[in-house]
Amino acid sequence: KNEVEQSPQNLTAQEGEFITINCSYSVGISALHWLQQHPGGGIVSLFMLSSGKKKHGRLIATINIQEKHSSLHITASHPRDSAVYICAVNSGGSNYKLTFGKGTLLTVNP
Amino acid sequence: DAGVTQSPTHLIKTRGQQVTLRCSPISGHKSVSWYQQVLGQGPQFIFQYYEKEERGRGNFPDRFSARQFPNYSSELNVNALLLGDSALYLCASSWGVSGSGGEQYFGPGTRLTVT
Repeated sequence: KNEVEQSPQNLTAQEGEFITINCSYSVGISALHWLQQHPGGGIVSLFMLSSGKKKHGRLIATINIQEKHSSLHITASHPRDSAVYICAVNSGGSNYKLTFGKGTLLTVNP
Repeated sequence: DAGVTQSPTHLIKTRGQQVTLRCSPISGHKSVSWYQQVLGQGPQFIFQYYEKEERGRGNFPDRFSARQFPNYSSELNVNALLLGDSALYLCASSWGVSGSGGEQYFGPGTRLTVT
């Protein structure tokens, strides 16, 4: 079993829909990241969370440390949101190793 | 201010050859991490360097090595290339190694193809 599990693997939505991507992890962590990767490879860091909730524009990320679960929400989705969304965790300590989920491919149709 | 830069962008090598990939972190960042992303998979951790010292190593063979220079830039070397080394190699920088200093900023990656 992977240390970081994401669901769903693939998600297709219509423009304007509310999107939720889930991430569960099995290890103790010091931080959780949500990342966005567009075709061609470049990765952009969206959020780094250690507790609670963060919001940036139409994106909201939440984390429940006790349940080892995080969600990424996109409100009023748009075709430009189409990308792979990756959850990654840092288990802390003296080295900053990120363990990644396999990603969720989001396609938003106009 | 420039983000994380990587060179080259694309690279084609043959089996058995050696390759060197380069990464320049964001100004002020002292930590560089390297990741390998095989097509269709999430990235896998290879190395982390902080203040020119190796802080972590993933499950990669000794053919993979890295170093960090006094200006905090870094090189990843892979010897005796195998077809399975074909991947996107990502570099990420951060100013620290934990807490809020650990937020990672990724470069555009180097696409390595081994034929």
